[in-house]
Amino acid sequence: GDQVKQSPSALSLQEGTNSALRCNFSIATTTVQWFLQNPRGSLMNLFYLVPGTKENGRLKSTFNSKESYSTLHIRDAQLEDSGTYFCAVLRASSSFSKLVFGQGTSLSVVP
Amino acid sequence: GGIITQTPKFLIGQEGQKLTLKCQQNFNHDTMYWYRQDSGKGLRLIYYSITENDLQKGDLSEGYDASREKKSSFSLTVTSAQKNEMAVFLCASSQGLGYTEVFFGKGTRLTVV
Repeated sequence: GDQVKQSPSALSLQEGTNSALRCNFSIATTTVQWFLQNPRGSLMNLFYLVPGTKENGRLKSTFNSKESYSTLHIRDAQLEDSGTYFCAVLRASSSFSKLVFGQGTSLSVVP
Repeated sequence: GGIITQTPKFLIGQEGQKLTLKCQQNFNHDTMYWYRQDSGKGLRLIYYSITENDLQKGDLSEGYDASREKKSSFSLTVTSAQKNEMAVFLCASSQGLGYTEVFFGKGTRLTVV
């Protein structure tokens, strides 16, 4: 089954409003990354998290390792926030390492 | 900061053709990755390499070869292009094998005709 699940799968927000994206995972991990993929396909790094919270401008993200989830809060949404948000969880051992991606949340910010 | 450059940006190939995608990074990172993204979906790992001349298979390695010619470059070969392989291929790098931030290139969009 899916090891990393994002919700919602799609979201439409009015400019200036707030929302939260959720990422639940069933992999034991110590790091989570959030990316924004723009319409041209480029992946932009938003957050690299160990358990705890980080904030950057209008974005805030929390990684709760005990309950195996991460959230991305968007405050005062702007048109340029539109795109697909991916959460990725590190699955690592002594012999391999990879990011396991969720399916993404497609966000559309409208005027 | 650094940059990951993927070439070409767009690649059109014939079914059955052997196609090569290239990736260069100037972060001086040890580990490099190739991911594949199908339309509307997340990314899946094809190959990764933890150092020059090292290769490790990911979840999707069948039908692909890879080569880490030097620390800064990692190439991916589609051994025989199939129509269901139309996807975006993303190269990435990170400082170490795990527990370090991963950065991505802008991708190569493959179309097979």
